[in-house]
Amino acid sequence: DVKVTQSSRYLVKRTGEKVFLECVQDMDHENMFWYRQDPGLGLRLIYFSYDVKMKEKGDIPEGYSVSREKKERFSLILESASTNQTSMYLCASRTGGKDTQYFGPGTRLTVL
Amino acid sequence: LAKTTQPISMDSYEGQEVNITCSHNNIATNDYITWYQQFPSQGPRFIIQGYKTKVTNEVASLFIPADRKSSTLSLPRVSLSDTAVYYCLVGDQGFQKLVFGTGTRLLVSP
Repeated sequence: DVKVTQSSRYLVKRTGEKVFLECVQDMDHENMFWYRQDPGLGLRLIYFSYDVKMKEKGDIPEGYSVSREKKERFSLILESASTNQTSMYLCASRTGGKDTQYFGPGTRLTVL
Repeated sequence: LAKTTQPISMDSYEGQEVNITCSHNNIATNDYITWYQQFPSQGPRFIIQGYKTKVTNEVASLFIPADRKSSTLSLPRVSLSDTAVYYCLVGDQGFQKLVFGTGTRLLVSP
């Protein structure tokens, strides 16, 4: 069974703090993704990674960066958290090519 | 990716069959149709995927007419635990990202 884990289920940070969200998958998947989910807006792609040390911007990359130093781990970084980054953050992974994405449980981040 | 349209919400009772229809008028030749389920405070979970006609697995069935401009997710004999949001997505199997709409919120009552 594919397992995607995220470092925290709930996180509260203050405006201006640097925030790290970690995602780990145990199925040797090449591709990993970070989404945020907001009411009425559905899931929106922030960044994705085809493979180690590779990254591509998604639809809403502003204010975020990512790191993929190891195949199993994909980190999302909020350089200076702002209140409009309060959201549910979802990580997903998949094998390269034709396959579905498998999601982690999500991290609900609140920025005060 | 092709845009999809689904009902915002549906209500049902335990034991009933639920059919959720998704419209995707501009589906491309290479596009597949995929459905995900999401419970509150959890990530979406893959349910079923199909290209044409009918696909069935242990959880659901997916009906796709010949013109492929719509599809219907069928959940047999729903239970309270099927209360969730259901998303329909359309795209090439090789596409790198998923574009989720607002989904259909299914409420199953006793």
